Amino acid sequence: QVQLVQSGAEVKKPGASVKVSCKASGYTFTDNDINWARQATGQGLEWMGWMSPNSGNTGYAQKFQGRVTMTTNTSVNTAYMELSSLKSEDTAVYYCARGRLHHPWGQGTLVTVSS
Amino acid sequence: EVVMTQSPATLSVSPGERATLSCRASQSVSSNLAWHQQKPGQAPRLLIYGASTRATGIPARFSGSGSGTEFTLTISSLQSEDFAVYYCQQYNNWPLTFGGGTKVEIK
Repeated sequence: QVQLVQSGAEVKKPGASVKVSCKASGYTFTDNDINWARQATGQGLEWMGWMSPNSGNTGYAQKFQGRVTMTTNTSVNTAYMELSSLKSEDTAVYYCARGRLHHPWGQGTLVTVSS
Repeated sequence: EVVMTQSPATLSVSPGERATLSCRASQSVSSNLAWHQQKPGQAPRLLIYGASTRATGIPARFSGSGSGTEFTLTISSLQSEDFAVYYCQQYNNWPLTFGGGTKVEIK
């Protein structure tokens, strides 16, 4: 079955960077974009951006422009989301998802930013 | 960007009753509207896409309707496993955007 498995929880200090991975299986990785979204505790979903594993094209939400980098490694069917200059407000669960429909979602990765 | 507004924020319903959730877009998104369900401590999952098409494995008690700017998710007879938060999401325009969610709780 189609599955996205994300890397484990991270704890980072303010100003640091974090890189979350998302390994895809059960489908042809290059056939669908990977989208990233995040969710702070008790809050709603916030879309961050997308990347095409086929073309390498990306699109980022304006809020994250200059701080986020999305990449893929097609040899291991894995997508990555790196967020830099972390602030306490970036503490959230980060999700990857397949395609614009976000189907399926990864299980989520908790990123905690604390001094 | 397209702002998605969901109402109500919280819906209290008894098991077996019907639930109707609304989602409004600030501009037309055609039928490019999805609904996601999220249970506590879990990732969201896709329920509906194309405004009215159920995703694989989604029970028939879930139905979606609407187009343009007004959309509805209906759960015909609430089961215990349906108490969750529901998000609408438009995928017609970049950036993709989500509504703020409707929590369906037990009355």
